[in-house]
Amino acid sequence: AQSVTQLDSQVPVFEEAPVELRCNYSSSVSVYLFWYVQYPNQGLQLLLKYLSGSTLVESINGFEAEFNKSQTSFHLRKPSVHISDTAEYFCAVTPLQGSARQLTFGSGTQLTVLP
Amino acid sequence: EPEVTQTPSHQVTQMGQEVILRCVPISNHLYFYWYRQILGQKVEFLVSFYNNEISEKSEIFDDQFSVERPDGSNFTLKIRSTKLEDSAMYFCASTTGFTDTQYFGPGTRLTVL
Repeated sequence: AQSVTQLDSQVPVFEEAPVELRCNYSSSVSVYLFWYVQYPNQGLQLLLKYLSGSTLVESINGFEAEFNKSQTSFHLRKPSVHISDTAEYFCAVTPLQGSARQLTFGSGTQLTVLP
Repeated sequence: EPEVTQTPSHQVTQMGQEVILRCVPISNHLYFYWYRQILGQKVEFLVSFYNNEISEKSEIFDDQFSVERPDGSNFTLKIRSTKLEDSAMYFCASTTGFTDTQYFGPGTRLTVL
């Protein structure tokens, strides 16, 4: 079984400041890792994912996340946030093995970018 | 760009009534999922479906729930006798099974009165 912990439920930050959203996971097997974003009144959109290879992955809108196997973390960062980044961010994992590939989500972090 | 669609966007029902939530996954996808998100809580896995049968289901997915792919395009979630605690946002997702990226629909907000 897997579990995901997002340590911060709310992260307020001023526009153009850097931000880090923390994610730690626990699993007895190797996992793939994901960050999803949920804008108000919308569904979940994939932001970025780590499947294999380079441990640093990037999204098209400036976010990046680094997989740290020893610390079982997959923290999300952005060097300079915009008002439009205000949303809820969910970290999720799925096991490499197995046919169903269900996602296990963290409880989410509400990022609020202030002007 | 292909996307997962869900209907209706909002469903209001009386406790004890049956509801059917509908999803149209991306056309070449093979694995289908339902998740739910109770207001203020995390997104929870309900069930996965592959090759016309349930692959896995969570403890939440009891006998009141069922899933079906009736016509090769739609994927439905039925709740036979709704309870107040079934009020939630229900998300459908699909994946090819090879990239392991699940694509989510916009959700159906179910309100049980």
